[in-house]
Amino acid sequence: SQQGEEDPQALSIQEGENATMNCSYKTSINNLQWYRQNSGRGLVHLILIRSNEREKHSGRLRVTLDTSKKSSSLLITASRAADTASYFCATDEANDYKLSFGAGTTVTVRA
Amino acid sequence: GAVVSQHPSRVICKSGTSVKIECRSLDFQATTMFWYRQFPKQSLMLMATSNEGSKATYEQGVEKDKFLINHASLTLSTLTVTSAHPEDSSFYICSAPRGGGDTQYFGPGTRLTVL
Repeated sequence: SQQGEEDPQALSIQEGENATMNCSYKTSINNLQWYRQNSGRGLVHLILIRSNEREKHSGRLRVTLDTSKKSSSLLITASRAADTASYFCATDEANDYKLSFGAGTTVTVRA
Repeated sequence: GAVVSQHPSRVICKSGTSVKIECRSLDFQATTMFWYRQFPKQSLMLMATSNEGSKATYEQGVEKDKFLINHASLTLSTLTVTSAHPEDSSFYICSAPRGGGDTQYFGPGTRLTVL
């Protein structure tokens, strides 16, 4: 079942700017993951944050998790045209690899 | 490089025919694989869990007789869409966890178009 809401649905920014997107979910989770999907392609795993973690970094990506608010955010700093894609959050409730995906945010980075 | 492959990448079939989609883990064994469906401009929905050596488990609302899953070996799961109809047209994606960690790998997806 789909559990996450993502906000905004779409985002258009200039190259070099930062992009922030948010994800909210409904149930308790074991971990939350962010994925990127280029048009018509498979998913690329970006970052995983566990329920006992509050912030995680990977290169230009920064993810936060607030379990009290059941929300997460993904920040992409210094965006590039190649970051143009759809971004999905996904929650794993029981640490069984079964993922519930959010609705996704479509990011367009203008050169 | 890709660690999970799918075949075919695209398939067009006539209504009423059956279509088989393969999902392979390329350099690791996967006792469990997952099948997701994604409609255009929508999110991914988990359809079923493919279990090597036992029956697949299906999510609520997914017809097991329509979407047959066979986990033939530790590196191969197949999804057969039986008696396909235009409403089955979708992007089907599989995933496989790589043992020992949290990460799972997604295949590149199969776009099914039923005419």
